[in-house]
Amino acid sequence: GAGVSQTPSNKVTEKGKYVELRCDPISGHTALYWYRQSLGQGPEFLIYFQGTGAADDSGLPNDRFFAVRPEGSVSTLKIQRTERGDSAVYLCASSFGQTDEQYFGPGTRLTVT
Amino acid sequence: AQSVTQPDIHITVSEGASLELRCNYSYGATPYLFWYVQSPGQGLQLLLKYFSGDTLVQGIKGFEAEFKRSQSSFNLRKPSVHWSDAAEYFCAASREGYNKLIFGAGTRLAVHP
Repeated sequence: GAGVSQTPSNKVTEKGKYVELRCDPISGHTALYWYRQSLGQGPEFLIYFQGTGAADDSGLPNDRFFAVRPEGSVSTLKIQRTERGDSAVYLCASSFGQTDEQYFGPGTRLTVT
Repeated sequence: AQSVTQPDIHITVSEGASLELRCNYSYGATPYLFWYVQSPGQGLQLLLKYFSGDTLVQGIKGFEAEFKRSQSSFNLRKPSVHWSDAAEYFCAASREGYNKLIFGAGTRLAVHP
């Protein structure tokens, strides 16, 4: 497919466990964004990559959250010691550049029990 | 602090009726403004955007929005709603030249036949 893909679509984990969420951006897009959407809220910015580097990680809520994009394409959002408050839909978006339209994936629904 | 407000959490209209969804922003300067639609199981889709120039912006699916600087508003309109327009609508803003989006909480639109 030509769109942004995210895996898994759903993830259920126990409190305290470690999870990884994956995002495959549109081919050729250099910019990649992670957002978190809690129930009844709009998406909230987490982190933005330009190429391999994190250009802005000001939205990461604490040091349990970390994201990488080692080859400038696929990105992984990592959450350590998950808490029930981390339950949300995690959205990924990509764009050609930082001033271009963002295309969103369908999201990963994370549930922490 | 920068913020986007959507005063209406839930709106119900009859099919064929006109629609207006409200959005207000609070920014230091005129931001870039966007409207996105999110259908169940789908990623966010961009309906339209305002960067500068003509304050009435046309988008996809028959939607338009009007930027009013004096009211710090960017309301979304459609003259005749179709049942397929039922979805959640998000207004978003970003700082000029930068694509880190700040979203409102969303307005859920229901359409009665």
